[in-house]
Amino acid sequence: GENVGLHLPTLSVQEGDNSIINCAYSNSASDYFIWYKQESGKGPQFIIDIRSNMDKRQGQRVTVLLNKTVKHLSLQIAATQPGDSAVYFCAENKEAGGGNKLTFGTGTQLKVEL
Amino acid sequence: EPEVTQTPSHQVTQMGQEVILRCVPISNHLYFYWYRQILGQKVEFLVSFYNNEISEKSEIFDDQFSVERPDGSNFTLKIRSTKLEDSAMYFCASSETTPRGQPQHFGDGTRLSIL
Repeated sequence: GENVGLHLPTLSVQEGDNSIINCAYSNSASDYFIWYKQESGKGPQFIIDIRSNMDKRQGQRVTVLLNKTVKHLSLQIAATQPGDSAVYFCAENKEAGGGNKLTFGTGTQLKVEL
Repeated sequence: EPEVTQTPSHQVTQMGQEVILRCVPISNHLYFYWYRQILGQKVEFLVSFYNNEISEKSEIFDDQFSVERPDGSNFTLKIRSTKLEDSAMYFCASSETTPRGQPQHFGDGTRLSIL
């Protein structure tokens, strides 16, 4: 797939365990963040987003935590399943004056072991 | 669930030739984007498009690139004279309203290979 050759950080977890994927973002003015999942041969798939006026947001089996002080974002996946195996990207958007673009991180490869 | 569709899935083109990548954004979305991912690198923003004009573009998006919404459903990216370094996955995305606080939804991409 398109991620061949990427030297990605890799997280290996056992099926049923919780996963935590971390991301350090670069722009202190960024105030909207998104987590995407990318499976081999597919485009980025939206998982969950969070605005900077929040510290935590929960979805179905996923939670995003935002620490603006240290410019850190994390994605927690509860009861990880084999179908969660993919590359996970955080992306940031600066709202006021920042235009429309998303700036992506390098990604983390999540491997779920049976 | 509505999705962004891209064609072709793989395009092979000789260097110097023109190529057009096609996208059908989600039907009620108003903002459209192109990104690319060179093998081994990050997903990079190329251009955003709203109300029939470019709203923002990156330094990558030079005079060789252009975008168009030729009708009510398609959104295209044209590369006029392709170079070897244009080889990459090209992703189209769309969002319902302003991207400030609204997620962009991506297609599965077109793999562009320049020979």
